[in-house]
Amino acid sequence: GAGVSQTPSNKVTEKGKYVELRCDPISGHTALYWYRQSLGQGPEFLIYFQGTGAADDSGLPNDRFFAVRPEGSVSTLKIQRTERGDSAVYLCASSPWAGENNEQFFGPGTRLTVL
Amino acid sequence: KQEVTQIPAALSVPEGENLVLNCSFTDSAIYNLQWFRQDPGKGLTSLLLIQSSQREQTSGRLNASLDKSSGRSTLYIAASQPGDSATYLCAGGGGKLIFGQGTTLQVKP
Repeated sequence: GAGVSQTPSNKVTEKGKYVELRCDPISGHTALYWYRQSLGQGPEFLIYFQGTGAADDSGLPNDRFFAVRPEGSVSTLKIQRTERGDSAVYLCASSPWAGENNEQFFGPGTRLTVL
Repeated sequence: KQEVTQIPAALSVPEGENLVLNCSFTDSAIYNLQWFRQDPGKGLTSLLLIQSSQREQTSGRLNASLDKSSGRSTLYIAASQPGDSATYLCAGGGGKLIFGQGTTLQVKP
């Protein structure tokens, strides 16, 4: 079956621009997670959704970052006024539901480069 | 605040060796512990999930254990192969996952 997909696979943008990153979770998974991974580091949590609502957005670094999941399936991570420090691989994961004892399945990531 | 540490950061072994990767966490109120594999430039592949009521899980040549009281998990790889070369990440949580920095494994033919 289809896994988690993310588009684009690579995004190069200039400092100050706006970007959108898309995640398609595994069909039927109600929980969706966003993480960010810098070179040589483990992924860092950003936000997760249970259905359409953001259950925990404590990892978003500042108000330039925003994520939506309007219909409880596809999610978009939005970054305004990008900075060079936003360069990283943005990973999306999904699980059948949120909470303990749930295996998370990851997509291939979007590599964002801010020049 | 939960912190996850992985030791060693890098490991190089000859093919055929059995090896252990270590993961420690600061908050024993962890729910589950998940081990992942990451190949260069790729996403994460889930290897094993140890749920809150479990102490270990096995899949093929892999065995992962979880000891909440000591705040430790180990991933045992039996009879290592060059194809096992990758970065291995552990992550704890219940909902959001908190990741270690990974152990980069190289298995030499």
